[in-house]
Amino acid sequence: GENVEQHPSTLSVQEGDSAVIKCTYSDSASNYFPWYKQELGKRPQLIIDIRSNVGEKKDQRIAVTLNKTAKHFSLHITETQPEDSAVYFCAASTGTASKLTFGTGTRLQVTL
Amino acid sequence: DGGITQSPKYLFRKEGQNVTLSCEQNLNHDAMYWYRQDPGQGLRLIYYSQIVNDFQKGDIAEGYSVSREKKESFPLTVTSAQKNPTAFYLCASSDSHRASYEQYFGPGTRLTVT
Repeated sequence: GENVEQHPSTLSVQEGDSAVIKCTYSDSASNYFPWYKQELGKRPQLIIDIRSNVGEKKDQRIAVTLNKTAKHFSLHITETQPEDSAVYFCAASTGTASKLTFGTGTRLQVTL
Repeated sequence: DGGITQSPKYLFRKEGQNVTLSCEQNLNHDAMYWYRQDPGQGLRLIYYSQIVNDFQKGDIAEGYSVSREKKESFPLTVTSAQKNPTAFYLCASSDSHRASYEQYFGPGTRLTVT
């Protein structure tokens, strides 16, 4: 089955700096890669996703890049703000109504 | 919030007792999922259902059971056979007919077994 590895497990950045979280996956059939943000005690919420026919996707301060050949994808957050502090999870799946395999999460702390 | 609900928010049980966690959605989604979340381990899939009256085991199904008698509902039973049931349980749903693959999560149930 699919295996998703995520690094780093914790990340501390100063407000205004950029943050990068990286994930690798094992199943070449995976074609959907979402990123979820989970604030303390809350449910995970989708912040951005990418499909395998696209190499990069941006949404304001957030971007995701995908390298299918190397089987890795990354989340980039620019101009970080304190409200970006949360746990971020990457995931991979083979598409609609298919199970997601999650990474182990990255706890991001944005300090003032 | 809204769309997919889980109850209760906190649940306490004695070891050896079965317990059922509720998950209801009014999003008209065909697919529903149960995940378990433990510190430092991310979310792990327990069971999922792509259609009423059908479901498949996920990666950690042992000690759990589910049913899918209605499209809106996907209850999870944690049986006494589950060796370490204390965890945060998350239910999710997705629309298998749309181009979006997004899974929507419920607020979760924190189960403590002593």
